[in-house]
Amino acid sequence: DAGITQSPRHKVTETGTPVTLRCHQTENHRYMYWYRQDPGHGLRLIHYSYGVKDTDKGEVSDGYSVSRSKTEDFLLTLESATSSQTSVYFCATLAPSDEQYFGPGTRLTVT
Amino acid sequence: AQSVTQPDIHITVSEGASLELRCNYSYGATPYLFWYVQSPGQGLQLLLKYFSGDTLVQGIKGFEAEFKRSQSSFNLRKPSVHWSDAAEYFCAVGNFGNEKLTFGTGTRLTIIP
Repeated sequence: DAGITQSPRHKVTETGTPVTLRCHQTENHRYMYWYRQDPGHGLRLIHYSYGVKDTDKGEVSDGYSVSRSKTEDFLLTLESATSSQTSVYFCATLAPSDEQYFGPGTRLTVT
Repeated sequence: AQSVTQPDIHITVSEGASLELRCNYSYGATPYLFWYVQSPGQGLQLLLKYFSGDTLVQGIKGFEAEFKRSQSSFNLRKPSVHWSDAAEYFCAVGNFGNEKLTFGTGTRLTIIP
């Protein structure tokens, strides 16, 4: 358990509105990740961070941006939400043991 | 690029029966391999991992997995399943240092009495 919390846990929003999801960790892990989970696709990496202000794209980064101003917080922003971004979003951190630990997830519905 | 294939989308087994979930990976070097389990509405929990050494690894909840380099496989096994094992199982492959994981599409396990 890496002490990861995500907020909100559930959100319904309308197409075209901005949305920010927050991931908070208590273990001071350097690497943090955002994944989305969709049926038939497993988990796909959106963005990740390897330190404060250091981020990089994953395989499905279009339409998403991230920020990391503190070690413990990693924010995922949908600038203008679309229905294709309806998904479950998971945050993860990389422990010194080289294991990734996951948060409880945020279910986002874009109507 | 690394990739993972879980060929079984859904498996149904009887309680008390043995279980094997298949995972095949593609990776150029020695991979880091993982199995995660996800119960409905929950996050992912790490079951076991393989980094190097003994190719048979033991995990939590009575699960084990065997790394077979010649077959590019990392199949998950349990000798006798319990109703509480019903969940979705994900295989994943990582690079050295494991900064980035690639997941399979998952196998949903149903347990029947």
